[in-house]
Amino acid sequence: GQQLNQSPQSMFIQEGEDVSMNCTSSSIFNTWLWYKQDPGEGPVLLIALYKAGELTSNGRLTAQFGITRKDSFLNISASIPSDVGIYFCAGQEWDFGNEKLTFGTGTRLTIIP
Amino acid sequence: NAGVMQNPRHLVRRRGQEARLRCSPMKGHSHVYWYRQLPEEGLKFMVYLQKENIIDESGMPKERFSAEFPKEGPSILRIQQVVRGDSAAYFCASSPRDSGCEQYFGPGTRLTVT
Repeated sequence: GQQLNQSPQSMFIQEGEDVSMNCTSSSIFNTWLWYKQDPGEGPVLLIALYKAGELTSNGRLTAQFGITRKDSFLNISASIPSDVGIYFCAGQEWDFGNEKLTFGTGTRLTIIP
Repeated sequence: NAGVMQNPRHLVRRRGQEARLRCSPMKGHSHVYWYRQLPEEGLKFMVYLQKENIIDESGMPKERFSAEFPKEGPSILRIQQVVRGDSAAYFCASSPRDSGCEQYFGPGTRLTVT
């Protein structure tokens, strides 16, 4: 089945630093989604990408859909304490009847005081 | 517009009992997805349903697990004769018919089997 490799697994940064994480896939996806999950909660959708090469921003977050459709990255600029959490990428093939999301393994973001 | 609702948030069952997890999608959403998450792991797809139809159950264990999304009422994920390995967080997501891509998640049900 599909596999998504997400890196890094964890990041320890200071407040105000920029953050970058990425996902690579063994095969092609038609949609990439980025989610953030806080402890004890469900994933919250941050950014959705629909076209190869697309670059989309949501406030301090920027994500890109790779040209090969096998990768995506997420950048967070000027991190703040509420950015702490686990970030997941998810890919979707988007064929009828095959709309399930395949999730990456997550990047845990910690801000060092 | 209320988000995806799941209940209960926490469920404790003894081995051999049945677990019923409920999910009410966002208003206007007719597609429901169930995912399972083990500690320190990503979410794994289980089943995709539309009203009264199972579209894709490729991620669902063949035995003891079943799901439904009736014409009226919430979607139900049922686990019969639970075992310790069923302990996990179960998340429901919904998407609108005309989107087909963005899935919005509920807060999850944390199942503990003792």
